[in-house]
Amino acid sequence: GQNIDQPTEMTATEGAIVQINCTYQTSGFNGLFWYQQHAGEAPTFLSYNVLDGLEEKGRFSSFLSRSKGYSYLLLKELQMKDSASYLCASVDSNYQLIWGAGTKLIIKP
Amino acid sequence: IAGITQAPTSQILAAGRRMTLRCTQDMRHNAMYWYRQDLGLGLRLIHYSNTAGTTGKGEVPDGYSVSRANTDDFPLTLASAVPSQTSVYFCATSEGESSYNEQFFGPGTRLTVL
Repeated sequence: GQNIDQPTEMTATEGAIVQINCTYQTSGFNGLFWYQQHAGEAPTFLSYNVLDGLEEKGRFSSFLSRSKGYSYLLLKELQMKDSASYLCASVDSNYQLIWGAGTKLIIKP
Repeated sequence: IAGITQAPTSQILAAGRRMTLRCTQDMRHNAMYWYRQDLGLGLRLIHYSNTAGTTGKGEVPDGYSVSRANTDDFPLTLASAVPSQTSVYFCATSEGESSYNEQFFGPGTRLTVL
């Protein structure tokens, strides 16, 4: 079957580091996306991983382990504007995205 | 450059009424998608189109229909709305159907069916 799991909500402090985990079970896995969604807005692309390892992009990094069915999004030097939901989505054999329910990240001063 | 536009922004609809949600893109992307987003659930694919003239069913297609007469437009029709179709609807596009093509999202339509 197809399944994506990520925590419902996380809280972190401004300036700190937070790691948001995502586990997946996807037939014919073809990669994993992370998107950011501010309340009341559309999702926007953050990263795409298809090979094992860490991809770094400024304050945001994304990691993938295909053998473990596991990914994480790492956010460094947290800013108040990073308060949002973070959506994990795996790509199946038909190139369709299977979406997690999202992790709401709350940043406290 | 508008990117992806959706109309209306929001709508309150009586059950049983017919409704078409509009989606237009100026990105010349081949693939287009309709999702619904409900609290506590991930985005769920309703219908998709990999190229003009073709459409396919997603995870939750019942009660919805689409057409893709040209590259730019991908309307979603609810033939007879029911309260369970209350949701936020997002249209998305991508260059093609390959796995590495990120999807770009429109601003969404908030639909309430009473």
